[in-house]
Amino acid sequence: DSGVTQTPKHLITATGQRVTLRCSPRSGDLSVYWYQQSLDQGLQFLIHYYNGEERAKGNILERFSAQQFPDLHSELNLSSLELGDSALYFCASSGGPDSPLHFGNGTRLTVT
Amino acid sequence: GENVEQHPSTLSVQEGDSAVIKCTYSDSASNYFPWYKQELGKGPQLIIDIRSNVGEKKDQRIAVTLNKTAKHFSLHITETQPEDSAVYFCAAYSGSARQLTFGSGTQLTVLP
Repeated sequence: DSGVTQTPKHLITATGQRVTLRCSPRSGDLSVYWYQQSLDQGLQFLIHYYNGEERAKGNILERFSAQQFPDLHSELNLSSLELGDSALYFCASSGGPDSPLHFGNGTRLTVT
Repeated sequence: GENVEQHPSTLSVQEGDSAVIKCTYSDSASNYFPWYKQELGKGPQLIIDIRSNVGEKKDQRIAVTLNKTAKHFSLHITETQPEDSAVYFCAAYSGSARQLTFGSGTQLTVLP
C-alpha cells in the first residue's frame, strides 16, 4: 500500500459531462502529481501541485483543471468529456522535488 | 522538454534468466531516475531509483546503471521469477521542468 488514496476507483459517464477525481496524498507529503495513462500514450504528466500552489503543467487540456486544498488533498476536474478522455488517471505524492513519487491505484474513467 | 525513450517494449525471458531494460533521456539537467513496476489493476510502484551523482545502485536482484555522458540508464533483473512479470517504466526528473517524465513501458513476461 503506497498510502495514496484515490476515489472513485471506477467512473462511467457520458460525453459532455463533468467529473471530479479525488486524491489524498501520503501523510506528510506536500506534492501531488496527476498523470493520465491510456493504452497508446503511456503515463502522461498533467499537473503538479506543491502545498496548494501549482508548480508545473504538462499536456493538460484546457477542459481539465486541478487544485490542492489546505488539507493537501487534491481534485482533478474533467469537463466537456470526450470519448478520448477514457483512461486511467493516477495521482502520486512525494515529499519534495526529485523525491520518489508514490502512486495511488488510479481512477478508471470510461466515457460513453 | 524532457523525452525518455525505453526499449524493448516487450521482453520474454525464462525463469532464472536475467532481464535488461534500457532507457535514454534528452535533458542533461535531469538528475533523478526512478524505475517503476506496474501490475495489472494497480498503480506504478517504485522499485529502485538512482541519482545523477551515482553510477550504479543495487538492491538484491535488481540493479540500475546510469551513464550521464551517454544519457542512458538501464534496469537489470537477475534470477527472474514469475512474479517479476509486469510492466516496467523508467522515468527521468528534470528540475528545470519540475516534472517526472516516463518512458513508454516494457511488458516483461517471465516464463516458468
